[in-house]
Parts: sequence; C-alpha cells; structure tokens
Amino acid sequence: GENVEQHPSTLSVQEGDSAVIKCTYSDSASNYFPWYKQELGKRPQLIIDIRSNVGEKKDQRIAVTLNKTAKHFSLHITETQPEDSAVYFCAASTQSPNAGNMLTFGGGTRLMVKP
Amino acid sequence: DAGVIQSPRHEVTEMGQEVTLRCKPISGHNSLFWYRQTMMRGLELLIYFNNNVPIDDSGMPEDRFSAKMPNASFSTLKIQPSEPRDSAVYFCASRAGQSNSPLHFGNGTRLTVT
Repeated sequence: GENVEQHPSTLSVQEGDSAVIKCTYSDSASNYFPWYKQELGKRPQLIIDIRSNVGEKKDQRIAVTLNKTAKHFSLHITETQPEDSAVYFCAASTQSPNAGNMLTFGGGTRLMVKP
Repeated sequence: DAGVIQSPRHEVTEMGQEVTLRCKPISGHNSLFWYRQTMMRGLELLIYFNNNVPIDDSGMPEDRFSAKMPNASFSTLKIQPSEPRDSAVYFCASRAGQSNSPLHFGNGTRLTVT
C-alpha cells in the first residue's frame, strides 16, 4: 500500500518568516494530495489540495508544489502568523481495489509560530 | 450544512465495558471513514464504507472492534470489550463520490478507557 513520510515533525519559525513542510509518497499511481490543518483539540480541516495534473497551486499565503517524478510534494506558508500554529498533515490518495480512493496520511508536522 | 456529526464528544469508561461511537455523514456523501488518532501512531484508517458497504477494514486492530453502516446517514463504531490502549480520539469523515474529492472530518470522540 501507500506510504507517506512527512518532515519535519516539528517546526518553529518567527512570525513573518516562511515555513516549508515536505512529504514523500511511495505509490506512483497516487494522484490527489491534500493538506490538512489541525488546531489543538479540533478536527483536521482541509486547507489546500493538488491533483497530479498540475505542479503548483496557490491560495493567498499558502502554496503546494508537486513533483511526480520524485514523488514528493511540499506545503509553503509565507508571512506566517501566530494563528498558523497547528499540526499540519499531508496525505496521498491510494486506489482501493474495490471502489474509490483512500487517503494515507503523513505523520504530521507541529508548526509553532513565535510572535 | 451541519457537517459530519459525531457523538458523544467525550466518553470515559472502564476497561471491559462496551463503547459505541456514532457518526452522521454529510448528506449526499456516499463514502464514510473511521480514523483513530493517537500521539504515537498519528491518524490511522480503521475502516472505510462506500455506499454503506464496508470496503476495507484492514485497519481494524482486533476483533474487539466492529463497525456498521445500516443506512446512508448513520454509522457506528463499537469496541467490546474496551481496553485502556483503546484510549484515543476517533474521527469519522465523509466524502462525496469515488473521485478525489475532499474528506470532511467530524469533531471526533475522545475516548478514555480506565
């Protein structure tokens, strides 16, 4: 099955700096890569996703890049703010043998933005 | 849209007791997932339903765990008997269609087994 590795496990940045989180995946057939943000005590929420037919996608201060050849994708947050502090999860789709796609999650990155 | 609704939000029980967690997916979503989250193991997929049919239950840790989806608007995850190592946050999530559409999570049930 799919295996998703995420680095770093913790990341501390100064407010205003950029943060980059990287993930690798193993299944070359994976074609959907979402990123989730989970604040303390809350549910994971989708912040951005990318499909394999594009190499980059941006939404205000966040962007995701995808390199299908190397099987890695990254989340970039610019001009970080204290409210960006959370755990971020990457995920990759895995084709179920019977129906649909399942998501395999990375281990998460705890981002701390210091004011 | 109320989103994915889970109950209870918190459950504290003694070892050996039966625990039932409940989930109502978003209306119109035909795929439902149960995840378990712990500090040590992160987000683990337990079981996945498509059109109320269990598709992949390879993540269910033991026979003590069972899940059902009797109709499109309700699913349960049962643990019987519960053990302290089952303590975790259990998330239900739903998705529309079989394509690569976003997964929507419920607020989770925090289970503590003493």
